[in-house]
Amino acid sequence: GAGVSQSPRYKVAKRGQDVALRCDPISGHVSLFWYQQALGQGPEFLTYFQNEAQLDKSGLPSDRFFAERPEGSVSTLKIQRTQQEDSAVYLCASSFGTGEKLFFGSGTQLSVL
Amino acid sequence: EDQVTQSPEALRLQEGESSSLNCSYTVSGLRGLFWYRQDPGKGPEFLFTLYSAGEEKEKERLKATLTKKESFLHITAPKPEDSATYLCAVRPNSGNTPLVFGKGTRLSVIA
Repeated sequence: GAGVSQSPRYKVAKRGQDVALRCDPISGHVSLFWYQQALGQGPEFLTYFQNEAQLDKSGLPSDRFFAERPEGSVSTLKIQRTQQEDSAVYLCASSFGTGEKLFFGSGTQLSVL
Repeated sequence: EDQVTQSPEALRLQEGESSSLNCSYTVSGLRGLFWYRQDPGKGPEFLFTLYSAGEEKEKERLKATLTKKESFLHITAPKPEDSATYLCAVRPNSGNTPLVFGKGTRLSVIA
């Protein structure tokens, strides 16, 4: 595609619900990153894939967060038993190489009530 | 620990009033320093990469410079369309360490 596509654009969840956020990277991009951005803050790293391999998940805040990229293209970030502190914008980015220049999607704004 | 500090947090300029944004960093070896622009409701958009002290990059009214401890984003004669949040990020020189972002500077340019 022309750019990184994320869906849904907005997600409202009740506390305790599970959510799944989708990222469709630029075709041919090897690396895929997930970042979390709280209001008024910079993006915080969550996890990184190179093709289908998850090489770094050190930024995932708890074991309620899980990410996958089974075929080395589309990625899904899943949050189980959502809590209010999970409310943020979740950004996906991809790059052709190992992350020198990232192309970001517009993000999914998650609100947990 | 790798850290990026941006100042000021917010900046309000009149159209045509030049200024500079600061990005100070502490990193275990620098592979690259990046500037991104972020508009409300959008993801960050790449502007520049700087790799070594003394390097400069320019794009329209923006010029980025780099020293061993900080980077500046100079904005010359800004226009209202330059209003955005400007994010600085560093890539540490260790393995596949991802970009570490600062909190950004919110720039407003008033006509």
